[in-house]
Amino acid sequence: DAKTTQPTSMDCAEGRAANLPCNHSTISGNEYVYWYRQIHSQGPQYIIHGLKNNETNEMASLIITEDRKSSTLILPHATLRDTAVYYCIVRVDFVGKLIFGQGTTLQVKP
Amino acid sequence: GAGVSQSPRYKVAKRGQDVALRCDPISGHVSLFWYQQALGQGPEFLTYFQNEAQLDKSGLPSDRFFAERPEGSVSTLKIQRTQQEDSAVYLCASTLGTAMNTEAFFGQGTRLTVV
Repeated sequence: DAKTTQPTSMDCAEGRAANLPCNHSTISGNEYVYWYRQIHSQGPQYIIHGLKNNETNEMASLIITEDRKSSTLILPHATLRDTAVYYCIVRVDFVGKLIFGQGTTLQVKP
Repeated sequence: GAGVSQSPRYKVAKRGQDVALRCDPISGHVSLFWYQQALGQGPEFLTYFQNEAQLDKSGLPSDRFFAERPEGSVSTLKIQRTQQEDSAVYLCASTLGTAMNTEAFFGQGTRLTVV
């Protein structure tokens, strides 16, 4: 099982922030939260990951609640090229196997 | 190369034919993963290599699927006697190490169509 729950789809206006939620209520203390995205006909692309603290990089920010049962991926200024399927993944074992769910299809509109 | 390379990008096979899909991971990457992605679904894990050792093959759907990485770099996923349900995109990913906080780099995948 994916261990995460995400909305099936979301829309966002170009230039606005896109906030993608993810629930992972059964997460264990040493499991990381990862976000990947998949643009049509390409392989998944790593975005960001975190354990407890909020994280930020050049692509996005990751906000993890204090109880770690949910998180939000924030794309601060969405562009049309951010249209993709976004996967929230909880790393499940030490070898790094990723268990993908259905993800959220984000449509950025002009 | 700069990223994970997979070949061929597209493969059409007649039912019953054997196919071989190649993955060139990023140089020096220890871990290599194969995933299968059916149309409209998220990728599903098939198998995992640490260097040349296949440590997890729990996701391989049947004994028609076989993977190898003999020298710890290039990997080949072989499917024998292909069937229509094998039609999918096959993705390869590699990571530098085995730590829990390591990002995976994916190739563009091989789209297999069995007719």
